[in-house]
Amino acid sequence: GNSVTQMEGPVTLSEEAFLTINCTYTATGYPSLFWYVQYPGEGLQLLLKATKADDKGSNKGFEATYRKETTSFHLEKGSVQVSDSAVYFCALKKAAGNKLTFGGGTRVLVKP
Amino acid sequence: EAGVTQFPSHSVIEKGQTVTLRCDPISGHDNLYWYRRVMGKEIKFLLHFVKESKQDESGMPNNRFLAERTGGTYSTLKVQPAELEDSGVYFCASSRETGGLGYGYTFGSGTRLTVV
Repeated sequence: GNSVTQMEGPVTLSEEAFLTINCTYTATGYPSLFWYVQYPGEGLQLLLKATKADDKGSNKGFEATYRKETTSFHLEKGSVQVSDSAVYFCALKKAAGNKLTFGGGTRVLVKP
Repeated sequence: EAGVTQFPSHSVIEKGQTVTLRCDPISGHDNLYWYRRVMGKEIKFLLHFVKESKQDESGMPNNRFLAERTGGTYSTLKVQPAELEDSGVYFCASSRETGGLGYGYTFGSGTRLTVV
């Protein structure tokens, strides 16, 4: 079946540090890949997405590249801010299906 | 447009009691999904409605869980009787499209359920 594995947190960083959150997936075919973010007290928000190999999703300074050869979709940001403190979820969706398969989430804490 | 609304935001109940969670999707969204995150683990799919019909309920854990979407608008998820392992955050999402690339999902803020 489909699965998503992402690094466990919490990840604690200082402001302006570089952030990487690893995500690998198992799925047949060519799923769409997503990063969702949950800020404290809020719901899940779509951060970025990619639908085919070598696509790069980007938003709010975050980037992730769909790597078919390594079945990965690592999230990166070059300079984090305190406001980036949140839980980040990697997810996939098969083209023919409707449901999302999520990873376990990674809590990120950015300190000033 | 208004987002996906869930209530209550928090619920604390005793083991054996009944709890009903509600989700109001975005107006015009035929697809409604329930997910939950238990014990800080991954978010897992529970079920999917298309209008008032259950399209996929493969993620429902057992028959203590009952989801309804009468009239194809809001949905309720009832847990009866609640057990300790049901504690977690229950998310609802809606989308206009069925299938596709999944761009159009909008999630609610979730209901945090604690069973004591």
